[in-house]
Amino acid sequence: QVQLVQSGAEVKKPGASVKVSCKASGYTFTSYAIHWVRLAPGQRLEWMGWINAGNGDTYYSQKFQGRVTITRDTSASTAYVELSSLSSEDTAVYYCARDPPGGGPFDIWGQGTVVTVSS
Amino acid sequence: DIVMTQSPDSLAVSLGERATINCKSSQSVLYGSNNQNYLAWYQQKPGQPPKLLIYWASTRESGVPDRFSGSGSGTDFTLTISSLQAEDVAVYYCQQYYTTSKTFGQGTKVEIK
Repeated sequence: QVQLVQSGAEVKKPGASVKVSCKASGYTFTSYAIHWVRLAPGQRLEWMGWINAGNGDTYYSQKFQGRVTITRDTSASTAYVELSSLSSEDTAVYYCARDPPGGGPFDIWGQGTVVTVSS
Repeated sequence: DIVMTQSPDSLAVSLGERATINCKSSQSVLYGSNNQNYLAWYQQKPGQPPKLLIYWASTRESGVPDRFSGSGSGTDFTLTISSLQAEDVAVYYCQQYYTTSKTFGQGTKVEIK
């Protein structure tokens, strides 16, 4: 079945970087975009950016510009998000989500990856 | 970015009663060339990822019970649960996908009264 499976929980120190993976299965990876969204405690869902899995084009939220990098490995049907210069405010659950061709809502979501930033 | 504002932040409804959630966008999400509203609704339960309920403002995703309905156009939208069930306890989010930055509302927590 169509699914996105994310990597496991991470604990990082302030100032470090974290890289989360999202492996797709059950569909043609390069035909869709992958978005990254996070949910911090007491906050709203926050869109971070996306990658066109076909041609690798990326687009980032201005809030994270310069700190976030989204990449993909088509041979592994996997997308990645890397966030640098972590602070406690980056403690959140990070989700990947699939976006259909031509743009649309997010129809398939990964299970979420908890990232905790603590000294 | 388009700012999405939901109301109320939380509501408590008796089982079998109607629940109504509103969502307002800071600019229109109606695309003139296809007359579609680029607005979706999601349900999120604790420990789970969001689940797509409604897209194009009023189209139910496959498998979603028909007690969930969406309405509205332009900048003002509504999600209605016609007869609240215990399994509907969750946080509900609206999202615009009109722009590349696909922003969400702040969420509305629905509980049983």
